[in-house]
Amino acid sequence: QVQLVESGGSLIKPGGSLRLSCAVSGFTFSGSYMGWLRQAPGKGPEWLSYLSNTGAIIYYADSVRGRFTISRDNAKNSLYLQMNSLGAEDTAIYYCVRTSQLRRWAFDYWGQGALVTVSS
Amino acid sequence: DIQMTQSPSFQSASVGDRITITCRASENIADYLNWYQQKPGKVPTLLIFGASSLHTGVPSRFRGSGSGTDFTLLITGLQPEDFATYYCHQTYNTPWTFGQGTRVEIK
Repeated sequence: QVQLVESGGSLIKPGGSLRLSCAVSGFTFSGSYMGWLRQAPGKGPEWLSYLSNTGAIIYYADSVRGRFTISRDNAKNSLYLQMNSLGAEDTAIYYCVRTSQLRRWAFDYWGQGALVTVSS
Repeated sequence: DIQMTQSPSFQSASVGDRITITCRASENIADYLNWYQQKPGKVPTLLIFGASSLHTGVPSRFRGSGSGTDFTLLITGLQPEDFATYYCHQTYNTPWTFGQGTRVEIK
């Protein structure tokens, strides 16, 4: 059974930092490309970043490049998103996803989401 | 960035209806087009990848078609559980982008 479980979401003040984690089970994490998306209240999903199975290939959306850092620990079957300089526009549910070239990079597995609220 | 435009933004339909949602890309994306369904308060789920391939477990009443810039999601014999918001999504070039969504509601 595939599971992606995000943690680390919380209420944070503007300018603060937060680290999200995603614990994965049920598929070969070390062989999978992974990514992060977010969805602001009432909005559609927004892709943020993805990285290759080894972590050697990384892409970011312009909205988070330079502020967010994606990483992984294949020994722990875990994906991370370090978020710095947070602003109100970063308030959203953050999803950990798996993506695969076999499926045209579609997101075939999603976590349940972690809520990040940026507010003073 | 590649812009994805869905139409309509909202559709009212009845159980058993056939509905079509279209998605237009601002440039050629070949078949790097995926469709997702999202029910209120739930996580999006993958329906179609590669423009026309049905994801595992997705009912055959969902059908995707198109290539290049114009794509279609067809739902035949609408079921109560199909009332949701649908998003198209391109993965031809980063940043990977989504359409604004089409909300399908019960008439």
